Amino acid sequence: NAGVTQTPKFQVLKTGQSMTLQCAQDMNHNSMYWYRQDPGMGLRLIYYSASEGTTDKGEVPNGYNVSRLNKREFSLRLESAAPSQTSVYFCASSEAGRQGHYGYTFGSGTRLTVV
Amino acid sequence: GEDVEQSLFLSVREGDSSVINCTYTDSSSTYLYWYKQEPGAGLQLLTYIFSNMDMKQDQRLTVLLNKKDKHLSLRIADTQTGDSAIYFCAENSPSSNTGKLIFGQGTTLQVKP
Repeated sequence: NAGVTQTPKFQVLKTGQSMTLQCAQDMNHNSMYWYRQDPGMGLRLIYYSASEGTTDKGEVPNGYNVSRLNKREFSLRLESAAPSQTSVYFCASSEAGRQGHYGYTFGSGTRLTVV
Repeated sequence: GEDVEQSLFLSVREGDSSVINCTYTDSSSTYLYWYKQEPGAGLQLLTYIFSNMDMKQDQRLTVLLNKKDKHLSLRIADTQTGDSAIYFCAENSPSSNTGKLIFGQGTTLQVKP
């Protein structure tokens, strides 16, 4: 059981290049999330998808777009990469359990450097 | 608004107890969580506590919740070098009905042999 799979694990981009970070989960979860992690700032939510067919902005959406391709897949796109987008990106998924307990399952992360 | 605060760093000796503290602001949170991140890895759920509880124990881990002060703590007994990691506190956001979690900045736990 793979859980949440992110690709690629590492990427170096030049300023202005575009790329798509892929995320897939095999737990039949309804909700999926993209976070970025920066030193001293913890995890900040970029975009989320509460269910298939819906996406919403999080705390730091500027410079990103997302696609919830189907229930399994949620991709994050950088249209024109900037050095400020150098970060570690995490995808997560969740399903409400009893009484609304939303435990997240995280992917292993994508380490992105924009030069 | 929603905010979760943690101290950034804690250093302990192997065998001692570690206590990691967290404060949160959303009094409507129904669940509070502790996640562990080892170097180069994603976050793993360590434990969680329902808001109508004030304590939860799971082997070496004890979670204490003070709802009045909006304070959450994680105690690790007999800390081992394998416990060295970043620990994140998180609260849920019931009003959003999306399962969205709000994370703190993370506390780096350093365990010295």
